[in-house]
Amino acid sequence: GDSVTQMEGPVTLSEEAFLTINCTYTATGYPSLFWYVQYPGEGLQLLLKATKADDKGSNKGFEATYRKETTSFHLEKGSVQVSDSAVYFCALVSNNAGNMLTFGGGTRLMVKP
Amino acid sequence: NAGVTQTPKFRVLKTGQSMTLLCAQDMNHEYMYWYRQDPGMGLRLIHYSVGEGTTAKGEVPDGYNVSRLKKQNFLLGLESAAPSQTSVYFCASSSTRREQYFGPGTRLTVT
Repeated sequence: GDSVTQMEGPVTLSEEAFLTINCTYTATGYPSLFWYVQYPGEGLQLLLKATKADDKGSNKGFEATYRKETTSFHLEKGSVQVSDSAVYFCALVSNNAGNMLTFGGGTRLMVKP
Repeated sequence: NAGVTQTPKFRVLKTGQSMTLLCAQDMNHEYMYWYRQDPGMGLRLIHYSVGEGTTAKGEVPDGYNVSRLKKQNFLLGLESAAPSQTSVYFCASSSTRREQYFGPGTRLTVT
């Protein structure tokens, strides 16, 4: 079956540091890939997505590239801010009826001033 | 657009009591989902619906029932609450574009 593996957290960085959160996946066919972000006490928000190989999703300074050859979708940001502190989830939808998401376990990011 | 809304935001139940969580979306989405999120764990799918009048089981359906009588609403019921059902419940919806949009969550405590 489909699966998503993320690096375990928490990840603690200083403000303006470079961020990478690794995500790899196993899926049949050609899945769509997503990063969701969950701020404290809130629901999940779609951060970015990519629907085919070599697509780059980007939003709010975050980027991730769909790498089919390495089955990866790593999240990066060049300079993190305290306001980026949240839990980040990598997820995929493969060819299933109902567009069901398969989530990774989540990575907590803590950014210190 | 309000997006996805959930009612109530918080609830405390005693073991054996019943309740219904309401999810509403105003985006005309076909698909709707109920998840639970427990500390240190990701989201687990409870039930989902691919259209009005249809429902299907997800990963952890036991102890829950759902109904989708109207396209915009998806109800999650607990017939006899148990402490193991203490969790944060999220509703989501999606169209054929695959990305899901989430509600703000309902924090349920069963004592």
